[in-house]
Amino acid sequence: KQEVTQIPAALSVPEGENLVLNCSFTDSAIYNLQWFRQDPGKGLTSLLLIQSSQREQTSGRLNASLDKSSGRSTLYIAASQPGDSATYLCAVYRSNDYKLSFGAGTTVTVRA
Amino acid sequence: ETGVTQTPRHLVMGMTNKKSLKCEQHLGHNAMYWYKQSAKKPLELMFVYSLEERVENNSVPSRFSPECPNSSHLFLHLHTLQPEDSALYLCASSLILVQGQSYTFGSGTRLTVV
Repeated sequence: KQEVTQIPAALSVPEGENLVLNCSFTDSAIYNLQWFRQDPGKGLTSLLLIQSSQREQTSGRLNASLDKSSGRSTLYIAASQPGDSATYLCAVYRSNDYKLSFGAGTTVTVRA
Repeated sequence: ETGVTQTPRHLVMGMTNKKSLKCEQHLGHNAMYWYKQSAKKPLELMFVYSLEERVENNSVPSRFSPECPNSSHLFLHLHTLQPEDSALYLCASSLILVQGQSYTFGSGTRLTVV
């Protein structure tokens, strides 16, 4: 069974600071890893998808890295803004499995 | 709107009530999912449908009953719920049921059982 852990559970930073969110998974035989954003009381919005053969993926101020052998991914958000306040979840597809395994998320608050 | 619409957004029901949650997508996706999200816990996969056939029932109690009448609609029928069933229920869809697919999520139904 794939276990996905996200640390810390919550994070509060002043505006302008860079954010570093961590995700670890127990089974390194993954197909891809995805990062999602969830605003309070809302559904999930896909941010980045990293294939198992990739080391990183970038979109604007967001950069996600993947180290499959150590079972880790990191989401970096540069120059944080109050609008970045949300919960960020990572999820992995194991190889030969159509199901996504999710972490519990990191709730980010960016203070103006 | 994300392309997946869930109704109602909020629902309060007593333990003896019967209610239904609705999910609708017109993205042309053939796989649909129900997830339960409780506070500070990972999303729990409840049911999976592919081409209107149920392919996964993840040890969900029988008080939750899914229905997929066509590829665009998914329902979750609720009866005799318990207070611990209070949670955010999320519907999602993907183009097909294979690994690596990108999901589209609805905004969820916030369910409170009193």
